[in-house]
Amino acid sequence: GQQVMQIPQYQHVQEGEDFTTYCNSSTTLSNIQWYKQRPGGHPVFLIQLVKSGEVKKQKRLTFQFGEAKKNSSLHITATQTTDVGTYFCAGRYNTDKLIFGTGTRLQVFP
Amino acid sequence: AAGVIQSPRHLIKEKRETATLKCYPIPRHDTVYWYQQGPGQDPQFLISFYEKMQSDKGSIPDRFSAQQFSDYHSELNMSSLELGDSALYFCASSLDLGELFFGEGSRLTVL
Repeated sequence: GQQVMQIPQYQHVQEGEDFTTYCNSSTTLSNIQWYKQRPGGHPVFLIQLVKSGEVKKQKRLTFQFGEAKKNSSLHITATQTTDVGTYFCAGRYNTDKLIFGTGTRLQVFP
Repeated sequence: AAGVIQSPRHLIKEKRETATLKCYPIPRHDTVYWYQQGPGQDPQFLISFYEKMQSDKGSIPDRFSAQQFSDYHSELNMSSLELGDSALYFCASSLDLGELFFGEGSRLTVL
């Protein structure tokens, strides 16, 4: 079946350090979305990537979609305490369902 | 702006009982999704509906069923509850396969 793996599972950084999470799918994706979930909250949409090799930026966040459309990454520059949460990639295959990755829990120490 | 509404927010049931969760998607959204999230786990896709018809199925147990009604609200019915069914259940809706808007979730505890 379709699986979406993320690494690392956990990341603890000092405020101001950079952070990257990587997402890999076992099969080619039609598109990929990224979500952030704060502790006790619900997933909140960050971005969608559709094209092979696509790169999108949102302030300190940079999202990339691999050339083969099987992997993606999220990079946060100069983390802040407000970045704390779990970051999920979610892959869409050629159906409605969106398969969430295993998530990376980010902890930022001031 | 209207968001996805889920009820109840919290539910406590005994083993072997039945539970029903409700979801009201954002108006004019064409797809409704149900996800189950255990503690420290990623959301697991259960089932989705496109324009009130079941469109896709994930890891939904046979004891669970769902439907979407003519007013577009959806219900997830869970029978013969087991301890392992304790989780946060999210409903989400989307338009044209775009971003998913999640509700606040329904926390089910099975004792």
